[in-house]
Amino acid sequence: GESVGLHLPTLSVQEGDNSIINCAYSNSASDYFIWYKQESGKGPQFIIDIRSNMDKRQGQRVTVLLNKTVKHLSLQIAATQPGDSAVYFCADETGANNLFFGTGTRLTVIP
Amino acid sequence: DSGVTQTPKHLITATGQRVTLRCSPRSGDLSVYWYQQSLDQGLQFLIQYYNGEERAKGNILERFSAQQFPDLHSELNLSSLELGDSALYFCASSVAVGTEAFFGQGTRLTVV
Repeated sequence: GESVGLHLPTLSVQEGDNSIINCAYSNSASDYFIWYKQESGKGPQFIIDIRSNMDKRQGQRVTVLLNKTVKHLSLQIAATQPGDSAVYFCADETGANNLFFGTGTRLTVIP
Repeated sequence: DSGVTQTPKHLITATGQRVTLRCSPRSGDLSVYWYQQSLDQGLQFLIQYYNGEERAKGNILERFSAQQFPDLHSELNLSSLELGDSALYFCASSVAVGTEAFFGQGTRLTVV
């Protein structure tokens, strides 16, 4: 079946540095991906999305890159701030009209 | 505030019992998703409804069931509860398939 997985369960970065969180997917038919941020005790919050007809999409301080050849996407956070500390999930719209989440990466920003 | 409302926020119940979790989607959203999140785990997709009809099923136990009502709110029913069912249960809604989903704050279920 489909799977979405994260390469690293935890990531620690220094405040001000850039962060890169990776995600792999297995369904080549997947055509819509979303990154979510979940702070402790809260529900996941949309960060940025990308459709399969794009390789890159930029938001405010965040960039998502999609490599369909190797079925990989990444979330880049520029100038990471303490408020960015959270668990980040990638979600895969499989075309079966549902969202699948990877296990998540816990990002810790060191002041 | 995402606009998705889940009640109750917290629920403590005994093993063997049955509970109902409620979700009110954002105004205008037709699609509702349910997820289970155990401690320090990822989100496990349970089930999705679209405009009152079941659209997709994930790893939902037979002891669990859900429905979406004509007013689009949804309920997740958990029966014969076990200690391992203790988790955060999230509801999300979206306007349509392939659009951004908005999550509620979750219901924390504790089975004792």
